[in-house]
Order: sequence, then C-alpha cells, then structure tokens
Amino acid sequence: AQSVSQHNHHVILSEAASLELGCNYSYGGTVNLFWYVQYPGQHLQLLLKYFSGDPLVKGIKGFEAEFIKSKFSFNLRKPSVQWSDTAEYFCAVIPGTASKLTFGTGTRLQVTL
Amino acid sequence: DAGVIQSPRHEVTEMGQEVTLRCKPISGHNSLFWYRQTMMRGLELLIYFNNNVPIDDSGMPEDRFSAKMPNASFSTLKIQPSEPRDSAVYFCASSLVRKETQYFGPGTRLLVL
Repeated sequence: AQSVSQHNHHVILSEAASLELGCNYSYGGTVNLFWYVQYPGQHLQLLLKYFSGDPLVKGIKGFEAEFIKSKFSFNLRKPSVQWSDTAEYFCAVIPGTASKLTFGTGTRLQVTL
Repeated sequence: DAGVIQSPRHEVTEMGQEVTLRCKPISGHNSLFWYRQTMMRGLELLIYFNNNVPIDDSGMPEDRFSAKMPNASFSTLKIQPSEPRDSAVYFCASSLVRKETQYFGPGTRLLVL
C-alpha cells in the first residue's frame, strides 16, 4: 500500500535557523506532491505543490521543496525560520493512478525566540 | 472567494445523539472530501465525491457514519448515534478536479460526551 513517511515528528529550532523536513513516499510511478501547513487551531493551508517540471518548487512564506525522484523524496526547506512558522507541517501525495490524497503523520515545528 | 465553509465550527453533544456536519465547497469545484483528524490517527480521508457522486467511502469508520451531497454546493456528514470515540476535528475540502490541489475548510471540532 502507498504510504507517506515524515520521520521528524517534532522539531524545535531557534529563530533564524535553517529548516529541512523530510518526506518520503512509497509509490513508484507519477505522483502529485504537496506540503500543507496547519497553524495552531487553524485549518490546513497549501504551502506548495509539485506536479511536473522544475523539481525545485517555491511556495509561500519563503518555503521551498525539492522533488528527488530517485530518492522518492520531497523535502521541505526554509533558510531562516521565524517564530510565526510554529505549526504542524504535512506532506501529502496523490499517485498517478489514484485520486485520494494520502497524508503523512505530520511534523510539529516549534520555533523559539 | 469565501473558501470552503463548514458549520458548525464547534459541536458538543452527548453519546447517542445524532450529529450533522455541513460543508459548502468552493464554487465551481467538482470534488469534495471529508477528513477526520485526531491525535492518535492523524488525518484520515473518510469519503470523497466527484460531481456529487460518492466515489470512495472506504474510510468511513462504520455504518453510524453517512455522507450525502445532494447538489454541487452542499454536503453533509452525519453520525448517528454518536460515540465518545468520534470526538475529533472534521475537515471538508474541495478541489477543481480530483487530482488537483485541495482547499480545506476551517473544520468542525466535535466533542461527544
């Protein structure tokens, strides 16, 4: 069965530190990839997505992600985090033959001042 | 655009009562999804509709749960009878087509006592 793995469950960083959150998926074919963010008490919002083309995708709020097909990965990065980035981050995948969005378990990011 | 609208935002009920959650998708979107989020299980897809037709309800926990989409602008998720283990945040999401970006509503926080 297809799965999405986020190995970092809880990350604590100081402001201005660099961020990289891992995401790996198990499906071998064409995939649509997403990162969503959920701020405390709020709903999920799209950060960025990859369907095709340039594997380095830039999203909102200075986030970017790189699709590495050979590693089945779609890691999320930000050069310098802010306190306001404190949230839970979800990686999600739609395989080419499916319609359902499968979410990872999420990574809780805590940014300290 | 108002985004995905869900009501109520909070619901507290007693075990055995019927609960109805409502969702209005973004106008023009053809696919609608119901998710449940809990600490233990994360984000789970319960059911999704395409052009008002239920496509996959394999995520619906049991017969106590039912969902309808009588028209393109309205969907309901009903739990009857409700149980304490149904306590969760229920999100509705919509997308233009099945494999495109899903936009989430603010969620309904359900507490069953």
